[in-house]
Amino acid sequence: KQEVTQIPAALSVPEGENLVLNCSFTDSAIYNLQWFRQDPGKGLTSLLLIQSSQREQTSGRLNASLDKSSGRSTLYIAASQPGDSATYLCAVMRGGATNKLIFGTGTLLAVQP
Amino acid sequence: ETGVTQTPRHLVMGMTNKKSLKCEQHLGHNAMYWYKQSAKKPLELMFVYSLEERVENNSVPSRFSPECPNSSHLFLHLHTLQPEDSALYLCASSGIQELNEKLFFGSGTQLSVL
Repeated sequence: KQEVTQIPAALSVPEGENLVLNCSFTDSAIYNLQWFRQDPGKGLTSLLLIQSSQREQTSGRLNASLDKSSGRSTLYIAASQPGDSATYLCAVMRGGATNKLIFGTGTLLAVQP
Repeated sequence: ETGVTQTPRHLVMGMTNKKSLKCEQHLGHNAMYWYKQSAKKPLELMFVYSLEERVENNSVPSRFSPECPNSSHLFLHLHTLQPEDSALYLCASSGIQELNEKLFFGSGTQLSVL
């Protein structure tokens, strides 16, 4: 059974700092890994999707890496801003006929001005 | 705005009530999903519909009954719920052309069962 773990559960950093969020998964047979952002009381916004054949994806100040063999992914946020404060969720897509995602519990990020 | 709209945003109901959650997507997608998000737990997939056919029922109790009348609309009918069913219920949609389609989520319905 696929399990997804995110460390740390919560993180507080001063504005401007570079930071890394970690995600690990137990079954390396995945189609892709996705990072989402969730603001309080809101739905999820897709940030980055890394296909199983890829090593990393970049979007603006965000860079996500994937090491499928070791079951790990990292989300790097450069020059953090208070607007980055949110919960960050990673999810892996398992095999099958539909896009079924298995989620981690998330990392709650607070960027202090 | 992600193109996926959920109503109502908040719902309080008693254990004997019957209510329905509604989800509508304007993205031309053919797959729709219900997820449950409880405090301190990962999002749990409840149901998946592809081309209006239910393709996944993730061991969800029968007091939750989904309905997908067309590819743009998804409902979750609720009856005789328990307090532990209180959670944020999220709807999502995606394309089905390939497995690397992104999911687009609505803002959710925050449900409280008294």
